[in-house]
Amino acid sequence: DAGVTQSPTHLIKTRGQQVTLRCSPISGHKSVSWYQQVLGQGPQFIFQYYEKEERGRGNFPDRFSARQFPNYSSELNVNALLLGDSALYLCASSLVLGQKLSGANVLTFGAGSRLTVL
Amino acid sequence: QKEVEQNSGPLSVPEGAIASLNCTYSDRGSQSFFWYRQYSGKSPELIMSIYSNGDKEDGRFTAQLNKASQYVSLLIRDSQPSDSATYLCAETLYSGAGSYQLTFGKGTKLSVIP
Repeated sequence: DAGVTQSPTHLIKTRGQQVTLRCSPISGHKSVSWYQQVLGQGPQFIFQYYEKEERGRGNFPDRFSARQFPNYSSELNVNALLLGDSALYLCASSLVLGQKLSGANVLTFGAGSRLTVL
Repeated sequence: QKEVEQNSGPLSVPEGAIASLNCTYSDRGSQSFFWYRQYSGKSPELIMSIYSNGDKEDGRFTAQLNKASQYVSLLIRDSQPSDSATYLCAETLYSGAGSYQLTFGKGTKLSVIP
């Protein structure tokens, strides 16, 4: 079975540009979450989506947006890129919403998309 | 502000020794805790989860949870050079609308010296 797949794996943008990152969850998983990991820090929660609806949002500016499609895949968009947006963007999937992240409903991360903003 | 604190290290141990990694958390309501391993340039990989006070063992790994002290630890027995990585401690927080998120510490870098 394929795990969580993300694309692109690496990309370089300049300040002010926009970027779209894509994620396909594990087959059967209906919830997708996005995390940002800056070098030397732990991942920080950005969004959680379930059944195409935003169900959780972290402390990120409105430049960050996301959506989930009927096939449960997801896109993360970042507008007006800043140097500080340079990070590893991680997508994670879990089976369902409304249950603690435990047992069979733990988060599984994809390999990430490494964004460099120059 | 809900926080998870870890010593960033680096923690160096000789091959075959026990590595002890520690984590404290601020939210007394937290119920689920996780240890993720992250190799350089890779994504986090779940290695242990713990939900109840006490110890939980899985192979060479033992997770310990003390809710009264708000303390989680990970012991790695018979450490191998392949265990060299950053270990991330995380707690589950309920963020509303049925959503649970993970709050991570900054991670502890472990180096196992051959």
